[in-house]
Parts: sequence; structure tokens; C-alpha cells
Amino acid sequence: KNEVEQSPQNLTAQEGEFITINCSYSVGISALHWLQQHPGGGIVSLFMLSSGKKKHGRLIATINIQEKHSSLHITASHPRDSAVYICAVSPWSGNQFYFGTGTSLTVIP
Amino acid sequence: EAQVTQNPRYLITVTGKKLTVTCSQNMNHEYMSWYRQDPGLGLRQIYYSMNVEVTDKGDVPEGYKVSRKEKRNFPLILESPSPNQTSLYFCASSLSARSSGANVLTFGAGSRLTVL
Repeated sequence: KNEVEQSPQNLTAQEGEFITINCSYSVGISALHWLQQHPGGGIVSLFMLSSGKKKHGRLIATINIQEKHSSLHITASHPRDSAVYICAVSPWSGNQFYFGTGTSLTVIP
Repeated sequence: EAQVTQNPRYLITVTGKKLTVTCSQNMNHEYMSWYRQDPGLGLRQIYYSMNVEVTDKGDVPEGYKVSRKEKRNFPLILESPSPNQTSLYFCASSLSARSSGANVLTFGAGSRLTVL
């Protein structure tokens, strides 16, 4: 059983395109996290959400608690956005984190 | 600089030879955790710690041990490594153990372990 599902698994876009990555989860959560992992690199936290919407530069994250769904949007995509984007949730019931398998994004110049 | 430091970054070892991957954070974080990342499976939690001397199992604890004797350090111990523990390992920490899911996670750079 996978508590967190991401789609798509792989995504290729042309530079400048608007990108959406989706995350659905099956448990009640205290927060949802979006993480970024560059090839061969470490993992950095982009957003932590418990409601509504957050924006940082060209990145926007939204969450719908009732529908148990979150989206990560990238506006005006750039090749440096090429990375794996990971959705993670922390359930109300514990102190663990559950992760999606990631979306591999490639932005072509 | 606020960071989580893991060592070694790369290690090739043989079956049965005990090894320790160290993790240290300089942010006075209460919560620390270990994950392994495998292709197609994503990140899975091995162990986590809410504070000094408080540790608990994650989803895949078999074959691993941890200790939290000091707040800043959270080593991962493989007493008798096996090839199925070949993986990329990440340590992470967050500020507060209370509602730890509602605190930003800071990750180490990762440790790539190969067990022959």
C-alpha cells in the first residue's frame, strides 16, 4: 500500500512551459512537503503546506485537504528546473514521513 | 552554515563487515531521521529520533541500528551488511519533535553504500 501517489512519473517539457506535478495521499496529515532532488545531488525542501497555497519565485504549491491532493506548479520552466520532485506527507497519527516515488522532470532548452 | 553532515559519502564494503554512517547537525534540531532511497521505491524511513535517547523504528528498520546519545549526532549502524542494503542513504533533521511533520526537513548530502 502506498500512502502517497505522484503523477506523472516522468515529464519532459520545453523551456518556458507551465508544468504541473500532482500528489495524492490517503491519510490524514499534519503537513505536506515538496522536495527537490537534482541529479547526483542532495534533497532540498521547497515547500511545507498544511492548507491553501504558497509561492516562491516561479514555484507555486497548492493543497486541497478535503480532496487529499496537492499540486506543484512551475511557471516559465527553465533547464535548471530539471530534477526529481518528491511529495512527502506526515500523518496526524505519528512522527513518520511517507514519500511519493518522485516525478523526474527534464526541461529542454 | 546550518547543515546536516553525513559521512562517508561513498562506501564500498563486503557482506558482514560492520559499518557506521555518521550524521551530525549544527542547528540544535530535536528530530532526526534516516532514510534509504531505492529506484522505483522512493524514500523510505529507517529510524527516527524525537530527542536524545528517544528512537523509534520507521518502515524498514531490519538490519539497522541507531543511537542518539547527543542531540547533534544520529549514527546509522549496519552490524552485518548484506547486498540488499546497497542503497543511497539520507539523514535529515527538523527543529521540533512535536508535530515533526509540520517542520521543514533539512537533508544531508547522502551516502551511497554498496555491499558486495
